[in-house]
Amino acid sequence: DAGVIQSPRHEVTEMGQEVTLRCKPISGHNSLFWYRQTMMRGLELLIYFNNNVPIDDSGMPEDRFSAKMPNASFSTLKIQPSEPRDSAVYFCASSLAGAGGGKSPLHFGNGTRLTVT
Amino acid sequence: AQKVTQAQTEISVVEKEDVTLDCVYETRDTTYYLFWYKQPPSGELVFLIRRNSFDEQNEISGRYSWNFQKSTSSFNFTITASQVVDSAVYFCALMTTDSWGKLQFGAGTQVVVTP
Repeated sequence: DAGVIQSPRHEVTEMGQEVTLRCKPISGHNSLFWYRQTMMRGLELLIYFNNNVPIDDSGMPEDRFSAKMPNASFSTLKIQPSEPRDSAVYFCASSLAGAGGGKSPLHFGNGTRLTVT
Repeated sequence: AQKVTQAQTEISVVEKEDVTLDCVYETRDTTYYLFWYKQPPSGELVFLIRRNSFDEQNEISGRYSWNFQKSTSSFNFTITASQVVDSAVYFCALMTTDSWGKLQFGAGTQVVVTP
């Protein structure tokens, strides 16, 4: 089975440019998460969707960041305008929330390494 | 507030040695989940194990084993007979049932296995 697929793997952009990161969750999973990994802060949750609806976006750093999930098989994380401090690895993860309340573990994609110069 | 502490920053071993990674967690919730993830040099995060707070049974999977002790709030991970392919950063993480998806990660422990 295909895992979580993220694109691009690497992105280098100049300050002020718009950046869009893409994620395809595991088929059948109904929860999707965006995490960011930096040396200073480690791994932190940015936003989480359940059944395509944003549930918790308290981790989104500021208004320059936005995330969408137009359907069950696709999500984007956009940064506009980008700044050098946004340089990090961005991970997408998905899981399955069962009807009985049980939920599967989070399965992560390979990440997108973003460098903003 | 939730917190996960991995006090060991880096552990270096020679192949075939055993290595134990410590994880201590803090939470006021009575129901929670603990996880271990592996991040090899290629950068992906690989799920290894999940335990819930009601299941204190230790688990073994091949060369990996986990020791969960609620009394000491610890969830330690042992790699037996380490191999070079085990070289990676290992993260312990905590999640409570009322904040599903919000994994509180530890800082990670870098394991270096040399031939």
